[in-house]
Amino acid sequence: QSVLTQPPSASGTPGQRVTISCSGSSSNIGSNSVNWYQQLPGTAPKLLIYSNNQRPSGVPDRFSGSKSGTSASLAISGLQSEDEADYYCAVWDDSLNGPVFGGGTKLTVL
Amino acid sequence: QVQLQESGPGLVKPSETLSLTCTVSGYSISSGYYWGWIRQPPGKGLEWIGSIYHSGSTYYNPSLKSRVTITVDTSKNQFSLKLSSVTAADTAVYYCARVEGGSSFDPWGQGTLVTVSS
Repeated sequence: QSVLTQPPSASGTPGQRVTISCSGSSSNIGSNSVNWYQQLPGTAPKLLIYSNNQRPSGVPDRFSGSKSGTSASLAISGLQSEDEADYYCAVWDDSLNGPVFGGGTKLTVL
Repeated sequence: QVQLQESGPGLVKPSETLSLTCTVSGYSISSGYYWGWIRQPPGKGLEWIGSIYHSGSTYYNPSLKSRVTITVDTSKNQFSLKLSSVTAADTAVYYCARVEGGSSFDPWGQGTLVTVSS
C-alpha cells in the first residue's frame, strides 16, 4: 500500500493527450516537490520531471508536470507509441523522513 | 557523463545477507550528492531502501532500517548495500542512483536481479 496513490492503468491513442494523477497528503506532496519517472519495459527508471514541472535535458516538451495542494499530475501530449511505459511519481515525505514512490501507472498506447 | 553499475551475487539463501556494490564513473562521489538504493520486486513498484552522503551520513527506509546498512568507499568511488536476514520477499531488481533534493534519482544504474532462494 503506497503512501502516494496513482491509477494502476491509463491509455490513449496516438496524438491524444493523457494525464496521470498522483495523490498524497500534507506531509509529502503538500509540502515538497514532486518528481516523475518513466520506466520503459525491461529498463531502469528514468527521471522525467523534477521539481513539479521541470524537464531534464533531453526530455521532450510533450511531457509536463503540475502540482496543486496534495495532488500532482503528469501530462503527455501528442501521445506516441514509444511512450508506452510505467510511470511513477515520487516525493519526500516529512513523516517518513525519506522519499516515497507512487504505486505506478501502466500507460498503454492503443 | 555519470554512470552507475550495480554488482553482486544474483542468488542469496534465505536468512543470509544480501551484499551489493554500486560503482560510479564520470563523477567523484566525494564531490557531493547523496547516493541511494531502490528496489523493485518482479512485476511490482519501486521501493526506496536508503541513501548515503560521501561523508557517510545515512538515512534508511524505516520499514527496512533494522536490516539495512549502506556504506561508502570514496577511494574506490563506490557505495554498498547490505541487507540482512533476507527472505523471498526481498527478491527484487536492485538499483543504485544519484540523489538530489531527497527524491530526485538521476541517473540510475541498469539494475541487478537478486533472487532469494535455497
